[in-house]
Amino acid sequence: QVQLVESGGGVVQPGRSLRLSCAASGFTFSKYGMHWVRQAPGKGLEWVAVVSYDGSDEKYVDSVKGRFTTSRDNFRNTLSLQMHSLRAEDTAVYYCAREVYGSGGPICHFDYWGQGTLVTVSS
Amino acid sequence: EIVLTQSPATLSLSPGERATLSCRASQSVNSYLAWYQQKPGQAPRLLIYDASNRATGIPARFSGSGSGTDFTLTISSLEPEDFAVYYCQQRRNWPITFGRGTRLEIK
Repeated sequence: QVQLVESGGGVVQPGRSLRLSCAASGFTFSKYGMHWVRQAPGKGLEWVAVVSYDGSDEKYVDSVKGRFTTSRDNFRNTLSLQMHSLRAEDTAVYYCAREVYGSGGPICHFDYWGQGTLVTVSS
Repeated sequence: EIVLTQSPATLSLSPGERATLSCRASQSVNSYLAWYQQKPGQAPRLLIYDASNRATGIPARFSGSGSGTDFTLTISSLEPEDFAVYYCQQRRNWPITFGRGTRLEIK
């Protein structure tokens, strides 16, 4: 069955860096675009970033552009989010999520999610 | 960016009743809208994609409708496990955006 397992969260001081990982299994990872979505404590969902199925294209929400980079390793079936210059407002549960693969190809809705990893930015 | 406005913020209903949740987009998203359910401590679960397509394993009591700027998620007869927070999400333009959610609570 499809599984997405995030890791790497923790408590980090403002301005520092952190790297999140997402291990994928149960599907052909190299066929799907993969996304990061975050949720601040008690708040709603915010899309963060996407990497295309082959790693050739990435997009980011404006608030993380220039600070976060997402990448993937299709041999190891892993997704990564490198976060620099972290701010208090980056505090959230970070989910990795898989795109739906519809009849016409991939679409940016999310049919499988990991359990999330909590990042807390605090001094 | 496209802003999605969900209403009501909170909906109080009893099991067996019909629930109607709304999502309005600040500009047309065609039919590129999804609905998710989230329970406390859990990841979101995809219910409906591209406005009206039920995701795999989703019960038939969940249905989606709409296009352009106005969308509706309907739960025909509420089961106890349906009480949760519901989010809409558009994929028409970057960045992908979500609504702020509707909390469906037991009356």
